[in-house]
Amino acid sequence: DAGVTQSPTHLIKTRGQHVTLRCSPISGHKSVSWYQQVLGQGPQFIFQYYEKEERGRGNFPDRFSARQFPNYSSELNVNALLLGDSALYLCASSSQGYNQPQHFGDGTRLSIL
Amino acid sequence: SQQGEEDPQALSIQEGENATMNCSYKTSINNLQWYRQNSGRGLVHLILIRSNEREKHSGRLRVTLDTSKKSSSLLITASRAADTASYFCATEGGTYKYIFGTGTRLKVLA
Repeated sequence: DAGVTQSPTHLIKTRGQHVTLRCSPISGHKSVSWYQQVLGQGPQFIFQYYEKEERGRGNFPDRFSARQFPNYSSELNVNALLLGDSALYLCASSSQGYNQPQHFGDGTRLSIL
Repeated sequence: SQQGEEDPQALSIQEGENATMNCSYKTSINNLQWYRQNSGRGLVHLILIRSNEREKHSGRLRVTLDTSKKSSSLLITASRAADTASYFCATEGGTYKYIFGTGTRLKVLA
């Protein structure tokens, strides 16, 4: 079975632009979470979606938004990009219920110039 | 903000030695998970321990959990060069989000 896939793998943008990152979960997984990982730090939780509804939100500004589609794939959108948004953006999927491991994709490396 | 703190931040050992890393967290949890991350890649799930469990094993991995001290440890026995990676603990406290620690960078020297 395919794992979590993210696209694109790398992206270069300039300040003020917007970006859309995409994630396809493992088949059968209905929950998708997004994380931002700045170099040298642990992942920071941005959003979790389950059955197309937002179920959790981290401490990120409104410039960050996401959505989940009927096939459970997801998009993360970031508007008005800042230099500080440069990071590895990770998507993780999990099956429903508590106490389930998360399965991560390899991320999208976003660089802001 | 990060909930968990791993200790040590960096660890360098010889192949065949054991590696122990610790994680402390701040609030009550449903479960705690350990992940491995190779440079520039996604995280790989290693082991999950529920809040009512005290110890769990998986191959060369042993995880302990002390909820009274809000701490966990990960022991890797008979380490190999391929174990070189960053290791993170993550806690889930019933709010549908995982809070990751700052990570331990492990280097295993051949």
